[in-house]
Amino acid sequence: DAGVIQSPRHEVTEMGQEVTLRCKPISGHDYLFWYRQTMMRGLELLIYFNNNVPIDDSGMPEDRFSAKMPNASFSTLKIQPSEPRDSAVYFCASGWTASGNTIYFGEGSWLTVV
Amino acid sequence: EDQVTQSPEALRLQEGESSSLNCSYTVSGLRGLFWYRQDPGKGPEFLFTLYSAGEEKEKERLKATLTKKESFLHITAPKPEDSATYLCAVWSGGSNYKLTFGKGTLLTVNP
Repeated sequence: DAGVIQSPRHEVTEMGQEVTLRCKPISGHDYLFWYRQTMMRGLELLIYFNNNVPIDDSGMPEDRFSAKMPNASFSTLKIQPSEPRDSAVYFCASGWTASGNTIYFGEGSWLTVV
Repeated sequence: EDQVTQSPEALRLQEGESSSLNCSYTVSGLRGLFWYRQDPGKGPEFLFTLYSAGEEKEKERLKATLTKKESFLHITAPKPEDSATYLCAVWSGGSNYKLTFGKGTLLTVNP
């Protein structure tokens, strides 16, 4: 089992640029989550999907953030325009209904906005 | 709003020195409590799920327990490779699959 795959692992970008983070969930999972981790706030849920449909995006900080899941094996999180305060580790996680809400995380995308 | 508080923030142990990590929570109706381990530069790794008060789960040197207000992660005779950040999360259920995480306990085990 390949696990949740995220790319890029590291990204350094200039303020104002567009950033796209990518995620491939574990095959067969019907839930996909995007989390952000910072020292100050810990792990925060940004958005989650069920069967490719966004269910709760109340954690998305502002309109600069958007997420899509065009099919069961791919999701993107986009930040446009990026700001230095967006610097964080972004995690994708997936799970399935029968797992009792156990979710499995990818290795994360480390974003630095300068 | 669900709240999770983990203590201590950091814990340093000698190899073989047993101890416990605490996770206290406030939720409107607990459906599940989760423990994860996170190594530096890695994503959280699933350890346990507990669903009801009185439940216990064990894995090697780790044992997780659950009461109506808190969970403990007991570490027996730890080894240096147990050094990591341990995260606790709660799921308050309903139709919402949102997990609320604590900020974690950084455990260091010295040889």
